[in-house]
This record gives sequence, structure tokens and C-alpha cells, in this order.
Amino acid sequence: EPEVTQTPSHQVTQMGQEVILRCVPISNHLYFYWYRQILGQKVEFLVSFYNNEISEKSEIFDDQFSVERPDGSNFTLKIRSTKLEDSAMYFCASSTRQGLNSPLHFGNGTRLTVT
Amino acid sequence: DQQVKQNSPSLSVQEGRISILNCDYTNSMFDYFLWYKKYPAEGPTFLISISSIKDKNEDGRFTVFLNKSAKHLSLHIVPSQPGDSAVYFCAASAGTYKYIFGTGTRLKVLA
Repeated sequence: EPEVTQTPSHQVTQMGQEVILRCVPISNHLYFYWYRQILGQKVEFLVSFYNNEISEKSEIFDDQFSVERPDGSNFTLKIRSTKLEDSAMYFCASSTRQGLNSPLHFGNGTRLTVT
Repeated sequence: DQQVKQNSPSLSVQEGRISILNCDYTNSMFDYFLWYKKYPAEGPTFLISISSIKDKNEDGRFTVFLNKSAKHLSLHIVPSQPGDSAVYFCAASAGTYKYIFGTGTRLKVLA
């Protein structure tokens, strides 16, 4: 069964550094998402992306965050200047379409640790 | 602003019995609801969904019930198996790309 793959599985970075989290969504999916889960807390929506532009973003997704689909297969999340509170599991997801009967398929996540 | 709530952080059930996981929501605009299962070190895995035009959806051992007037949904797992032990999240959307997740319920199925 096709799956969403994310790399790296664990990223450690120093505060203030830039990080890029990478994702390869399922190949025939059109909608792409980033979510995050701070340890012990709920899974939170960050951003959705369709047709090479952001469809919706949360208040968490401020100017320090950006997303890009640099080619036909990868989908990246960049954090320009990491803060301690950015430490979390970051999940990429994709779906065939938005709306009814279109569940998100998640990758296994990247654990980001900011020291 | 907790629009989706799972008030039971954990639940233990004997193998073979029914597991009932509950979820409450506050936003009456939500029209699509999902349940996800999550194992440690893995991403959430989709289990079952229901649209607001239905009150029940079944898929094998999993049934989701939606009570719109009470703004409540539940997931029934029958019979429960040890492999079902995981954290279960409910999620909801209001016709947008943004899914709101609950805080999760840790289910332990005892052999």
C-alpha cells in the first residue's frame, strides 16, 4: 500500500538555526498538509497546500514557517529560525481531495528537537 | 479553544469485549468526522469516518456513531483485540482542509 514517507526521522538543531523537514506524499494525492504534536499534547494543524499554494494555515504557522513543493514528488516544511517551543513531532499528510470521504494519510513523522 | 474533546485519557478493556471511545465537539459547523489510531513512533492511521448526514458507519469491527444533537461521536470496537492497543484520536472538519484533533484516548486491550 502506498505511504507517505518523511525524512529525517529525528532532527536535532540549535535554537536560531534553519531546518527543512522533508516529505514524499502518496503519488496520486493532490492535497498536502503539515501537522505537529508537541509531546503529550494534541495533534495540531499547521498548513494545507494545493495546486502549489497554501490553502489554509493556522495561527501557529507564522512568518518563520514556509512550505514548498520543489518538484513533482517532495513537499517540504522550512522553519527559518527555530525556537525551543518548535520542538515537536511534525507529521506530513496527503489526501486525494478535500472533503467528504477523503481522509488524510500521515507519514511516521519527524521528531524535531531544538536545543 | 478545545473544539474537539476526548474526556477519557485512557481505557482498559478485556480481549473479546467491546471498546467504546467517546468524543465531544462544540462547533456545529463540523460536517466530517474521523477516527485515527496511533502507535508509538508512527503517524496516525485512518480507521473510519462519518459525514454529518449519517448517524452510523460500520467497517468490520469498527463502528462510528454520530449524535448531532448532542455533538457527540463514539467509536465501538467489537471484539477488541490486543493489537488494538494504541492511542485513538477523533478529528473533525468544517468543510475546510483543517482537521481539528482531540487529545486522544489510550486504549489498552488486556489478553
